Amino acid sequence: SQQGEEDPQALSIQEGENATMNCSYKTSINNLQWYRQNSGRGLVHLILIRSNEREKHSGRLRVTLDTSKKSSSLLITASRAADTASYFCATEKAGANSKLTFGKGITLSVRP
Amino acid sequence: EAGVTQSPTHLIKTRGQQVTLRCSPISGHTSVYWYQQALGLGLQFLLWYDEGEERNRGNFPPRFSGRQFPNYSSELNVNALELEDSALYLCASNRGPTGGNQPQHFGDGTRLSIL
Repeated sequence: SQQGEEDPQALSIQEGENATMNCSYKTSINNLQWYRQNSGRGLVHLILIRSNEREKHSGRLRVTLDTSKKSSSLLITASRAADTASYFCATEKAGANSKLTFGKGITLSVRP
Repeated sequence: EAGVTQSPTHLIKTRGQQVTLRCSPISGHTSVYWYQQALGLGLQFLLWYDEGEERNRGNFPPRFSGRQFPNYSSELNVNALELEDSALYLCASNRGPTGGNQPQHFGDGTRLSIL
């Protein structure tokens, strides 16, 4: 079963605009991670936020985590056509079982 | 450093056949994870190996199995293939449970098509 659920399922924006994607999950977690997948390829790790962290930045990416609401958001600022991809949130549940549980993903299209 | 490598990249099989997929982790990584990405079902966790042992298993039938070798590379075996096994099989690696909070690094996957 899916732990995370992303919202929206699809997003289409103009180059230069910001893209915000949301993820909700159900259980206690060690960390939450965001990944990007270009069509038919493997996943690329974007950012990991631990359960005791509230916000994290990496370049044009900003991730927030609200453990009380069991939700996270990924913000991509000043989007580029190359950001077009599917984005997944994944959670590592509390306890050291290390497996990731993924949401179904968000398809982001950035129009040039 | 070289990333996670998987072979083959594509595979076509027929129902009832058996298949073996291979994965080489990043140097220094002891844990290997296998995921299935089937159309409409998202990414589903299959298996986790660390230091040669199976550590966790997803909700898949026993015809999905695997192993990890002393050099930390891994194989995923699927017996008695069914049409629904058509999917992208992804392998990932990291430094394992002693490494604390860390990402998993993915290969580009093996696309398996069952006819």
